[in-house]
Amino acid sequence: AQSVTQLGSHVSVSEGALVLLRCNYSSSVPPYLFWYVQYPNQGLQLLLKYTSAATLVKGINGFEAEFKKSETSFHLTKPSAHMRDAAEYFCAVSYSGGYQKVTFGTGTKLQVIP
Amino acid sequence: DTAVSQTPKYLVTQMGNDKSIKCEQNLGHDTMYWYKQDSKKFLKIMFSYNNKELIINETVPNRFSPKSPDKAHLNLHINSLELGDSAVYFCASSPLGGVGYGYTFGSGTRLTVV
Repeated sequence: AQSVTQLGSHVSVSEGALVLLRCNYSSSVPPYLFWYVQYPNQGLQLLLKYTSAATLVKGINGFEAEFKKSETSFHLTKPSAHMRDAAEYFCAVSYSGGYQKVTFGTGTKLQVIP
Repeated sequence: DTAVSQTPKYLVTQMGNDKSIKCEQNLGHDTMYWYKQDSKKFLKIMFSYNNKELIINETVPNRFSPKSPDKAHLNLHINSLELGDSAVYFCASSPLGGVGYGYTFGSGTRLTVV
C-alpha cells in the first residue's frame, strides 16, 4: 500500500531562511508525488508534482522538490522564506494504473518568524 | 470564477439530523472526490466519481451517500448525523481519473454536529 510520512508536524524558520519540509514515501510501484499548501480556512492548493519526468520539480511561489528514489524522499524546499509562506503543507502520493486515489501525509505546519 | 465551489461553507446542526453538502466544478474535469479532514488536519478520501460512476468507495458508514447527477456535480448527503462527523469536508476534482494530474480543491465545508 502506498503511504507518505512527513517528518515534523511543526517547522519554524526565520523570514529569509531556507525552508525544508521532509517527505518520505512508500510505494511498491513508481509513484506520483505531490505537495499541496493549505492556508487557514481554505482548501488545498497544488504546489508541485512529480510524475516521472525531471527529478527536480519547480512549483509555484518559489518552491521546489527533488525526487530521490534511493532515499524514497520528496523533500520540499524554498531558498528564502516569506511571511506569506506560513501555512500547512501536505505531501501526497499516488501511482499510475486505472483510477487511483491520492493518499495524503499528516501535514507540516510552517511558521515563519519575522 | 470559482473552479470548485462548495455550499454551504459552514454547517451547524444537531445530532440525528440529515444534511447535504453540494459541490460543483466548472473545469470540465471528469473525476470528483470527497475528502474528510479531521481536527488534526488528517485528510482521508471518502468517495470518488468518474463521469457520474462511483469508482472509489472507502470504508465510510452507509449514513454517507454521495450523488453525482452529472460530471460537474457531486453532492454528499449525511443521515443521522453523529458528533464524530464533525470535520471539514472537501470536494475536489481532477481530469481523467486524477492520475498524475493533481487535484483542484474547493474551500471546504466545516460541519459541526452539536
